This record gives sequence, structure tokens and C-alpha cells, in this order.
Amino acid sequence: GAGVSQTPSNKVTEKGKYVELRCDPISGHTALYWYRQSLGQGPEFLIYFQGTGAADDSGLPNDRFFAVRPEGSVSTLKIQRTERGDSAVYLCASSPRARATDTQYFGPGTRLTVL
Amino acid sequence: SQELEQSPQSLIVQEGKNLTINCTSSKTLYGLYWYKQKYGEGLIFLMMLQKGGEEKSHEKITAKLDEKKQQSSLHITASQPSHAGIYLCGAEVRSGSEKLVFGKGTKLTVNP
Repeated sequence: GAGVSQTPSNKVTEKGKYVELRCDPISGHTALYWYRQSLGQGPEFLIYFQGTGAADDSGLPNDRFFAVRPEGSVSTLKIQRTERGDSAVYLCASSPRARATDTQYFGPGTRLTVL
Repeated sequence: SQELEQSPQSLIVQEGKNLTINCTSSKTLYGLYWYKQKYGEGLIFLMMLQKGGEEKSHEKITAKLDEKKQQSSLHITASQPSHAGIYLCGAEVRSGSEKLVFGKGTKLTVNP
């Protein structure tokens, strides 16, 4: 079956611009996660959704970052007034339920470059 | 906060050789996940360990969690070029937590 998909695969933007990154989870998965991975680092947790609600957004670095999942399926990560330090690979993952024993399945990521 | 230390940072081996990658935690590991990542691709789930002393194998890859649940190892037997990539260990922040904390990864190169 189809895995987690993310679009676009690459995004180049200028400092100060607004960007949206999209994640399509595995069908039927109720839990969705966003991580950010900088060069040479492991993924860093940003936010996770259980259904439509953000159950934990403690990893969002500041109020320029926001994510939504209005219908409990597709999610969009939104970044306002982008900064060069936002450049990273943004990874999305989904799991059947938000339980610690449920494996998180990752998408290929969106590589964001802020010039 | 929990930190995961992976060693070595990078590893170059000749095809056919065995190798081991380690993941050490500053705190008890409630759930330990091993993933593999290739450039331009997402993380591919390999194995998950929960119990002290647990060991799991899949094809030529074996993962172990020590009795104290603070260290895990990933062992590859008779390595192949297809094993090349970055291996990441991730762990639950606390028991029952949905968030994962990751190590920085170990970059494995297998020369034919």
C-alpha cells in the first residue's frame, strides 16, 4: 500500500517568505507527527496530531511555526517569515494510533532551503 | 531531557565484514527504535525493542537492548553494499510517550 507522502520534495524560498509543507499519511492512521532534521543531526520532534487536534506541539520552535490537520488526514506545516536557520529536511510520520508501541512510518521529507 | 549517543559517527567496512553500531542513553530506554535512512529518502523502520535483554533479528541485522535498558546495539552480519546508509536510533522520551528522541546517526559505507 501507499506510504507516507510529502510535497514538495524540495522547496527553495527567500528569507521572510511564507511556506507550506504538506503531508499525506498512510490511510487510516490517526496519529501524525512532524519532525525537523538538520544536516548531520537526528530528527527533532515538532508536533503530533491525534486525529484533528494537536496533542503535543511542544517541539515547535516559535510562533512562526504552525501546523493543521483539519480533517484528520492530510496535514500542513506552515512557516511564516522564514529565516535561514529554518533550512532543514522536514519529515512527516504517521502511526495507526498515538501509542508508544505503534511504529512511526516516515515519509521522504521536504528539503527546505531558505536563501 | 533524554539524549542518545551513537557510536561510531561513521563506519567504512569491506563487503562481507561484520559490524556493530551502538546507541547509549543517559536515561532508561522505554522503547528503542532503529531506523535506516538513505539520502533523499525517509526513515525506514528496522526494529523496536522494549524489554531489557530483548533481541530481535531480521535477515542479517540483529538489534539488542541491554538488561539495564540504557544501551542498544545493532549488529550486521556479512555486510553488503545494500546495507549502506545512515542508521538512527530513536527512543521514547518517557514511558508511554508518543514523541521520539533520536541520536545523530551512524553513517555506514560498505565497499564492494
